[in-house]
Amino acid sequence: GAGVSQSPRYKVAKRGQDVALRCDPISGHVSLFWYQQALGQGPEFLTYFQNEAQLDKSGLPSDRFFAERPEGSVSTLKIQRTQQEDSAVYLCASGSPGPGTQYFGPGTRLTVL
Amino acid sequence: GENVEQHPSTLSVQEGDSAVIKCTYSDSASNYFPWYKQELGKRPQLIIDIRSNVGEKKDQRIAVTLNKTAKHFSLHITETQPEDSAVYFCAASRGSNYQLIWGAGTKLIIKP
Repeated sequence: GAGVSQSPRYKVAKRGQDVALRCDPISGHVSLFWYQQALGQGPEFLTYFQNEAQLDKSGLPSDRFFAERPEGSVSTLKIQRTQQEDSAVYLCASGSPGPGTQYFGPGTRLTVL
Repeated sequence: GENVEQHPSTLSVQEGDSAVIKCTYSDSASNYFPWYKQELGKRPQLIIDIRSNVGEKKDQRIAVTLNKTAKHFSLHITETQPEDSAVYFCAASRGSNYQLIWGAGTKLIIKP
């Protein structure tokens, strides 16, 4: 079946611009995670949803970052007033019920100029 | 909170030899330990995982071992091939409702 998809794949934003990144999880997956991956580093947790409920947002770096999953499927990560330090790959993962396997989307590479 | 340490940061082996990557974790409540392979510009791909009730798991040339007492787990790749070249990440979590805590990654280079 279809895997996790993300759009856009690449986004260039001017500093101060707002951006919205979309994640389509695997159908039926209850869990959805957002991670931020800087160049040459491992992914860093941002936030977690179980269905439409955002159960953990402890990794969001500032109040400029906001995520939602209103109907328990598609999720959007929004970054307001982007800064250069926001430049990274944003990965979405969905998880099947059970012990914790997560499947990743291709990521959105955000470059803030 | 949980911390995962991964070694080495870079590993260069001759094609056909074995490669071993080691990780340690701090949270004794962690019960799920996946390994991901990430090629340049690509998404992390799950290659093998192990749960805390199992000591070892093997899938063709790849194996993972877990020592819960010592809080460490290792990835073993035998008969390495050029296509094994990538960055490998270990991770740990408490289960499906929890985030993955990632190691820093190991860049594996297979020399022809």
